Amino acid sequence: DIQMTQSPSSLSASVGDRVTITCRASQRIDSYLNWYQQKPGKAPKVVIYAASSLQSGVPSRFSGSGSGTDFSLTISSLQPEDFATYFCQQSYTPPFTFGQGTKLEIK
Amino acid sequence: QVHLQESGPGLVKPSQTLSLTCTVSGGSLSSGGFFWNWIRQHPEKGLEWIGYIYYGGTTSYNPALMSRVDISVDAANNQFSLNLRSVTAADTAVYYCAMIRGAYYYPLDVWGQGTPVAVSS
Repeated sequence: DIQMTQSPSSLSASVGDRVTITCRASQRIDSYLNWYQQKPGKAPKVVIYAASSLQSGVPSRFSGSGSGTDFSLTISSLQPEDFATYFCQQSYTPPFTFGQGTKLEIK
Repeated sequence: QVHLQESGPGLVKPSQTLSLTCTVSGGSLSSGGFFWNWIRQHPEKGLEWIGYIYYGGTTSYNPALMSRVDISVDAANNQFSLNLRSVTAADTAVYYCAMIRGAYYYPLDVWGQGTPVAVSS
């Protein structure tokens, strides 16, 4: 299985901050990397797919980059509704695997 | 717009079979180009992909669960189902159904709300 490692596991930030979350795959996955946002008690929601494509309806302050094994998700100016847990997921090959999550909390 | 809804018992006894159903509205399980998935999330933990079924009945399962899992489609009722045999407390989780459209390497872009399942005697 491809292992996905996210960092940090938690992050405290303020409204208006720029934050970056990273994700590393244990082997090359080209650009088959997706990012999800999950709020308490809710299902995950995709924000970025194919490493850098913005999902329809997601604000442009979200962006993704990377290819191969190293990827990042950046939120350019945090809004109150962005505080949530973020997961990366490789869709290069089954079994699809997720990172352990990054909990983004209000400072 | 496709909508997914999980249903099934919230409590299963150890060694029994966990059976869940996902009802699809706004889309057809009889159409190609969609992958119908099950994912679970252990309490306060990360996400684990269980498997998918594709139009025509092709399945792919997580090797960690493959010996105990079956995913099937009931096209007449526009539902797909998960059966997980010989459950233990380690199978306690929130179970989600989710859809991939296009090809398997696309994201899981439609999810059900999730249903919690506890394994306990």
